[in-house]
Amino acid sequence: DAGITQSPRHKVTETGTPVTLRCHQTENHRYMYWYRQDPGHGLRLIHYSYGVKDTDKGEVSDGYSVSRSKTEDFLLTLESATSSQTSVYFCATRSREGQETQYFGPGTRLLVL
Amino acid sequence: GQQLNQSPQSMFIQEGEDVSMNCTSSSIFNTWLWYKQEPGEGPVLLIALYKAGELTSNGRLTAQFGITRKDSFLNISASIPSDVGIYFCAGQRGTASKLTFGTGTRLQVTL
Repeated sequence: DAGITQSPRHKVTETGTPVTLRCHQTENHRYMYWYRQDPGHGLRLIHYSYGVKDTDKGEVSDGYSVSRSKTEDFLLTLESATSSQTSVYFCATRSREGQETQYFGPGTRLLVL
Repeated sequence: GQQLNQSPQSMFIQEGEDVSMNCTSSSIFNTWLWYKQEPGEGPVLLIALYKAGELTSNGRLTAQFGITRKDSFLNISASIPSDVGIYFCAGQRGTASKLTFGTGTRLQVTL
């Protein structure tokens, strides 16, 4: 358990509006990840961070941006939400090199109308 | 993007039965992880495997890292109702510990 919280837990928004999801961790883990989970696709990596201000793209990064200004917070922004971004979003953390285990937050359920 | 082939997709078993599920890939992975997810929650790590051929247990759960490094297996013995959930495999290779997930096995346990 990495003391991960996500906010909001649920959100309904309209197409074209920006949305920001927050992931907060209390364990000082270096690595943080954002995934989306959709039926039939499992979990797919959107973006990840390997340190403050250090981020990189995952396999489904189009339409998303991230920021990490502090170790404990990793923000995911949908610049202009679309219906295809309706999903459940999970944040995960990992402590260090050589420790491959990722710990997941409780998820944010996003509905884009 | 690549996904892992996980089977079966779903299982309906009776309490007390043993369960087996597996995950295969066309690519080699350095680490295999098995997670369980319950409704409304994030995945929780069950077992981590770091070496080809490794067999690791966690209570009634046993997982193996395939010798070819392209597959992994999870067994649950003497299933109980709280085993209900979706089980995901995940493989890791390369830098930054990016994981590739399977599509999940949904387990239902009847009394």
